[in-house]
Amino acid sequence: GEDVEQSLFLSVREGDSSVINCTYTDSSSTYLYWYKQEPGAGLQLLTYIFSNMDMKQDQRLTVLLNKKDKHLSLRIADTQTGDSAIYFCAVENGGGADGLTFGKGTHLIIQP
Amino acid sequence: DAGITQSPRHKVTETGTPVTLRCHQTENHRYMYWYRQDPGHGLRLIHYSYGVKDTDKGEVSDGYSVSRSKTEDFLLTLESATSSQTSVYFCAISDVGTTPDTQYFGPGTRLTVL
Repeated sequence: GEDVEQSLFLSVREGDSSVINCTYTDSSSTYLYWYKQEPGAGLQLLTYIFSNMDMKQDQRLTVLLNKKDKHLSLRIADTQTGDSAIYFCAVENGGGADGLTFGKGTHLIIQP
Repeated sequence: DAGITQSPRHKVTETGTPVTLRCHQTENHRYMYWYRQDPGHGLRLIHYSYGVKDTDKGEVSDGYSVSRSKTEDFLLTLESATSSQTSVYFCAISDVGTTPDTQYFGPGTRLTVL
């Protein structure tokens, strides 16, 4: 089955950029997703990228996709304390209707 | 949370007892999903449904069953709970056919099996 890998922790200083990386094994996903989970809450869709795109920018968020290397990244510019959360990379199981496969999540820790 | 509620939000039960978790949506979305979240594992798909009475297994379906008798409700049942099923359970819905097939998540149910 699909395998999605992320590093478990990332620590950055407030105001710096955060880059969260993800690798995956199955390249059939039409869309690739980033979800955010704050403590005690459910998952919130942060952004997504169509598999035919290399980059997508949405305000402070930049998603980069390297299909050849099966690598996805999320860059958060000007990281704030409110960005402290767990970030999950997710890819589709076959078609999007068959559910998602998630990475284990990256805990983003903000240092003052 | 996109019109998704889960009940109960917290439950403590004993090994061997049956447990049913409920997911209710008001969005009239066709697809519904159950995931479990465990430390070190992220979220893993248990079962999903693509319509009333239509369900399929996910990655970690052993020990779980589901039912969907109405569009708005998706039930997850642990026939005989075990300690390994202690987890946080999330329901998600999707309006497949939109672009992309975005999943929206409920607030979760924290289940502890003693």
